[in-house]
Amino acid sequence: DAKTTQPTSMDCAEGRAANLPCNHSTISGNEYVYWYRQIHSQGPQYIIHGLKNNETNEMASLIITEDRKSSTLILPHATLRDTAVYYCIVRVSGGYNKLIFGAGTRLAVHP
Amino acid sequence: SQTIHQWPATLVQPVGSPLSLECTVEGTSNPNLYWYRQAAGRGLQLLFYSVGIGQISSEVPQNLSASRPQDRQFILSSKKLLLSDSGFYLCAWGQSYSNQPQHFGDGTRLSIL
Repeated sequence: DAKTTQPTSMDCAEGRAANLPCNHSTISGNEYVYWYRQIHSQGPQYIIHGLKNNETNEMASLIITEDRKSSTLILPHATLRDTAVYYCIVRVSGGYNKLIFGAGTRLAVHP
Repeated sequence: SQTIHQWPATLVQPVGSPLSLECTVEGTSNPNLYWYRQAAGRGLQLLFYSVGIGQISSEVPQNLSASRPQDRQFILSSKKLLLSDSGFYLCAWGQSYSNQPQHFGDGTRLSIL
């Protein structure tokens, strides 16, 4: 599975959009991009995933560049409860679907 | 809908004691099951995964073992705990050959004294 690079930490004001970038320049054609977040002392929570089209659900939007080498997770109106570590993971669809977690981005939402 | 349960939520054990953590999944059949560990201040590390009853694959050598006695039951064990076994243990389920995401339990926080 391709590796990902994320900033170590980011800040966001409450009510503003949080844009979390992820670089996956070695991604291959059949690999999906997944986003999870982990609030302190809880299990990771699935947010969204995509292959090449932009995706949106009730939690967030995922924007994948046309060359698929990077993506951005957008939380449109961040709240204090969105403070967490956000993980971007690239995974092949198929096989045993193991997840390899990196260090993620620590997002702090402040009033 | 599918749910995943882990217990206990917290556990304090002395060095050298045995361990048994249990994970069960409801609402799905023949899931893939996974055990992860997160040491304090670190990322998640995949320990074991299972694609069926009695089928266990280990990702890293360690003092732990896993078993899957039933389709939706996954157990993490140790005969003698080490201080380095402390951490946050997470169970997850998913499906093979699918782009659907894994879903995680609430975890067990294990402290070794």
